[in-house]
Amino acid sequence: EAGVAQSPRYKIIEKRQSVAFWCNPISGHATLYWYQQILGQGPKLLIQFQNNGVVDDSQLPKDRFSAERLKGVDSTLKIQPAKLEDSAVYLCASSFGGVRTEAFFGQGTRLTVV
Amino acid sequence: AQKITQTQPGMFVQEKEAVTLDCTYDTSDQSYGLFWYKQPSSGEMIFLIYQGSYDEQNATEGRYSLNFQKARKSANLVISASQLGDSAMYFCAMREGDTGRRALTFGSGTRLQVQP
Repeated sequence: EAGVAQSPRYKIIEKRQSVAFWCNPISGHATLYWYQQILGQGPKLLIQFQNNGVVDDSQLPKDRFSAERLKGVDSTLKIQPAKLEDSAVYLCASSFGGVRTEAFFGQGTRLTVV
Repeated sequence: AQKITQTQPGMFVQEKEAVTLDCTYDTSDQSYGLFWYKQPSSGEMIFLIYQGSYDEQNATEGRYSLNFQKARKSANLVISASQLGDSAMYFCAMREGDTGRRALTFGSGTRLQVQP
């Protein structure tokens, strides 16, 4: 079974530029998450989708971050314009959505804003 | 308030010994699930073990076991017979509620180093 795919693996941009990350979840997983992991910290939820609807985006900085999940499968996360403090690993995860089910994570995209 | 607290930023253990990684949680929900993940230096998050709030027995998965003390709101991970490959960051996480619709909330992690 293929895992969660993310691209790119690494990205370096200058502040005020824009950047987009792509995620393809495990086939059949209805729930998709984007997490931000700053160096030395645990992952922090940015947004959660159930199929193509948003379940929780309470911690998404909506003035600069946006995300969509077209057709309930692939998802993109965009930052525009980027700030230095956005430097982090962006993790995509998916799950069946049941109470006891774990989330499966991709390898993440390491973003450096200079 | 922190929902998941991991008070040990770093731990050392000798190869073949057991080690306990601490996790305390805070929730007012009666139904919740607790998860442990391993994150090696390569970056991927690997699921290790799950404990449900209504599970009567402590969860075990191979060399991993979970010491679940509900009254104390703690869910400590025990790794028996440590191996060099166990060196990694370990995160405790919680999903609140009984619908499965809530996302995982993570602690700040513990870095485990296994010494030969």
